[in-house]
Amino acid sequence: GAVVSQHPSWVICKSGTSVKIECRSLDFQATTMFWYRQFPKQSLMLMATSNEGSKATYEQGVEKDKFLINHASLTLSTLTVTSAHPEDSSFYICSARKGGLASYNEQFFGPGTRLTVL
Amino acid sequence: QKEVEQDPGPLSVPEGAIVSLNCTYSNSAFQYFMWYRQYSRKGPELLMYTYSSGNKEDGRFTAQVDKSSKYISLFIRDSQPSDSATYLCATHGNYQLIWGAGTKLIIKP
Repeated sequence: GAVVSQHPSWVICKSGTSVKIECRSLDFQATTMFWYRQFPKQSLMLMATSNEGSKATYEQGVEKDKFLINHASLTLSTLTVTSAHPEDSSFYICSARKGGLASYNEQFFGPGTRLTVL
Repeated sequence: QKEVEQDPGPLSVPEGAIVSLNCTYSNSAFQYFMWYRQYSRKGPELLMYTYSSGNKEDGRFTAQVDKSSKYISLFIRDSQPSDSATYLCATHGNYQLIWGAGTKLIIKP
């Protein structure tokens, strides 16, 4: 299979603190990982694309200094929400894409992390 | 106009019914089409993946692409309460997925 895990699954933090979310591909190497956020009853919104060993590419309107992404290895990417505020409360989902042309369209999703900022 | 349009529903049908979920897209260059299922508070799960036009069947699920009308469909036969979820269509743009809004499906026992 192609399993992607996220940790933590749910986090509550105080306003002004930073939160780190981990995304791991458990049984394959992911050359590219994606970070999404999803508000209730809405579709997924791509925040950034992260390639192993290089800087992430952020979508328009996403603050790169607020949402720090690190893709240090082929199996791990992290998203750090810095100085979190209540409006950052959302469901954050990562996905991982296998390398190689044969599967370049396939993305495998993690279970998501629910962030609540008080 | 959004690149992929999908009615958010909800769509409520009785158990055992045939379900038809649909999306339209605007760019005729799109060739890869996916259907994902997302349960509440979970990440999306890939259900079906099709390339270009035609049908693809997997168990109770059939994905259909009509490139002439830029219309994609997912049919679910013998629907079960466990099929209740949000179904998202997606296509592949330049190195990223382009998503529909998702249709919430409710199967009533």
